[in-house]
Amino acid sequence: NAGVTQTPKFRILKIGQSMTLQCTQDMNHNYMYWYRQDPGMGLKLIYYSVGAGITDKGEVPNGYNVSRSTTEDFPLRLELAAPSQTSVYFCASKRDRGVTEAFFGQGTRLTVV
Amino acid sequence: QKEVEQNSGPLSVPEGAIASLNCTYSDRGSQSFFWYRQYSGKSPELIMSIYSNGDKEDGRFTAQLNKASQYVSLLIRDSQPSDSATYLCAVNSEDSSYKLIFGSGTRLLVRP
Repeated sequence: NAGVTQTPKFRILKIGQSMTLQCTQDMNHNYMYWYRQDPGMGLKLIYYSVGAGITDKGEVPNGYNVSRSTTEDFPLRLELAAPSQTSVYFCASKRDRGVTEAFFGQGTRLTVV
Repeated sequence: QKEVEQNSGPLSVPEGAIASLNCTYSDRGSQSFFWYRQYSGKSPELIMSIYSNGDKEDGRFTAQLNKASQYVSLLIRDSQPSDSATYLCAVNSEDSSYKLIFGSGTRLLVRP
């Protein structure tokens, strides 16, 4: 019963480095989301996807990119990491629009130094 | 104006009391509303969902929705110390994109 799996759980990046946060779900959900959560704050939507091949920007997309080549995978790419991207990143998936539950991965704690 | 607004708290209540958490949203066409609970260092987990005006009860939890006032609330009866967490309100936008937008969360502390 894997649900939503994120890797890695922790990562330290140097300023200017790049990395990809991986997210995969095994529930055949169409909707997938990437959020960031700064200390003591709520979730800010970075990017989302409503199906394979379809992505769109959320509230805070600058400095990030995504792709959705399959239903299962929704990787988040950080280019030229900056200290402002230090945060906890959550991936979530949802079966459809409406009152269905969004399931979250365990999060990736990223520090940019 | 933020799309989803919550009082950050902390809201402190004694054990056994009713905790009342509030949320307002800006998109008048929003249709689906959620309350998630998040313990420190953990992922959010769904507590309640609601889409019709009125009340929806599940055990000690009651969600209330008033679309005319663009207001959704969560009542926790007989609050327990284990209810101490951050409660996040989330709203599905009604445009074609169906973004799921969260508020900043309200921290609840239940005093033994």
